[in-house]
Amino acid sequence: AQSVTQLDSQVPVFEEAPVELRCNYSSSVSVYLFWYVQYPNQGLQLLLKYLSGSTLVESINGFEAEFNKSQTSFHLRKPSVHISDTAEYFCAVSEGNQGGKLIFGQGTELSVKP
Amino acid sequence: ETGVTQTPRHLVMGMTNKKSLKCEQHLGHNAMYWYKQSAKKPLELMFVYNFKEQTENNSVPSRFSPECPNSSHLFLHLHTLQPEDSALYLCASSQERSRFEAFFGQGTRLTVV
Repeated sequence: AQSVTQLDSQVPVFEEAPVELRCNYSSSVSVYLFWYVQYPNQGLQLLLKYLSGSTLVESINGFEAEFNKSQTSFHLRKPSVHISDTAEYFCAVSEGNQGGKLIFGQGTELSVKP
Repeated sequence: ETGVTQTPRHLVMGMTNKKSLKCEQHLGHNAMYWYKQSAKKPLELMFVYNFKEQTENNSVPSRFSPECPNSSHLFLHLHTLQPEDSALYLCASSQERSRFEAFFGQGTRLTVV
């Protein structure tokens, strides 16, 4: 069975510092990988996704994630965070037969302090 | 119009009430989903509909009854709920093929009293 583990439930960081949110998954088949972000009192928004091809994927607001098949990881990074990045971040996998059928990690609460 | 719209945003209901959650998508997708987000727990997939047909029910209690009259609308009918059913219920839609990601609504915050 698939599972997703986000290793940190909370990550406090100062503004303009770099951050890494860790995600590991387990699956016996090929997967597609996603990072979603949830701002307070909002639904989930897709941040970035890995389907195939280049293992490094980037979002429009400076986040990037690298798919590492050997380590079964898909960590999310940003070199310099802003206050507005404060949110909960969810890593998710789909088994490949339907992109909307997702297994989520527990979420990481990113708190950016001035 | 936002892509996926859920109403109401907040709902408080008693354990003997009957209520319904509504979801509408304007993205031309053919798959729709209900997810449950409880405090301190990962999001859980509840139901999947493809082309209006239910294709997955993840052992959801029968007090939750989904309905999908067409590819743009999805309902979740609620009756005789328990306090532990209090959660954020999220609707999502996608193309049914594997390479297409899900788009989520803003959710309905349900409190059962």
